[in-house]
Amino acid sequence: GAVVSQHPSRVICKSGTSVKIECRSLDFQATTMFWYRQFPKQSLMLMATSNEGSKATYEQGVEKDKFLINHASLTLSTLTVTSAHPEDSSFYICSARMATGANVLTFGAGSRLTVL
Amino acid sequence: GQQLNQSPQSMFIQEGEDVSMNCTSSSIFNTWLWYKQDPGEGPVLLIALYKAGELTSNGRLTAQFGITRKDSFLNISASIPSDVGIYFCAGRDGAGGTSYGKLTFGQGTILTVHP
Repeated sequence: GAVVSQHPSRVICKSGTSVKIECRSLDFQATTMFWYRQFPKQSLMLMATSNEGSKATYEQGVEKDKFLINHASLTLSTLTVTSAHPEDSSFYICSARMATGANVLTFGAGSRLTVL
Repeated sequence: GQQLNQSPQSMFIQEGEDVSMNCTSSSIFNTWLWYKQDPGEGPVLLIALYKAGELTSNGRLTAQFGITRKDSFLNISASIPSDVGIYFCAGRDGAGGTSYGKLTFGQGTILTVHP
């Protein structure tokens, strides 16, 4: 079946540094990837929609200059949290939609970011 | 924006009991999905519903797409300890374009099963 891999699964960084999270579709091509953020005991909140070869579409209230998204290929999207602060500590999850047209979303296992 | 209200927020049940949870929306969705999330993991799809009124089963799980397209429920029969986790409903609208596939999630139902 379709597999989406996220890396790193856990990352701890100092306040003010930038962190990059990768989302890869391992056995399929993904025209669209979605990035979610989940705080403890809360739901998944969509941050942005990433389409291969074009600029990401951000949800209201999500700063595009702080959360940089790049979708340079059909199998890779990256989320960079720039100048991270403790309030950015969260669980970041990506999902990918197959390029074949079937509207099936596969989720990654998530990346736990802790900003000290 | 669209909002999904999921209830109950949490459930504590004995092994073998049946469980029911539901989601309601202020707007119409074309697809309803139910996911389970284990701690520290991403959501895993349990059941997908594509038509109003549709009733679909997957083993001990049964879900229905409400006729008004604004609600859905998930039932788990004869619960077992491994059913523990957080269950999320999610709705997908029919909007096309580059945001096709975008999901709105409910708040989640935390299920605890006592052996």
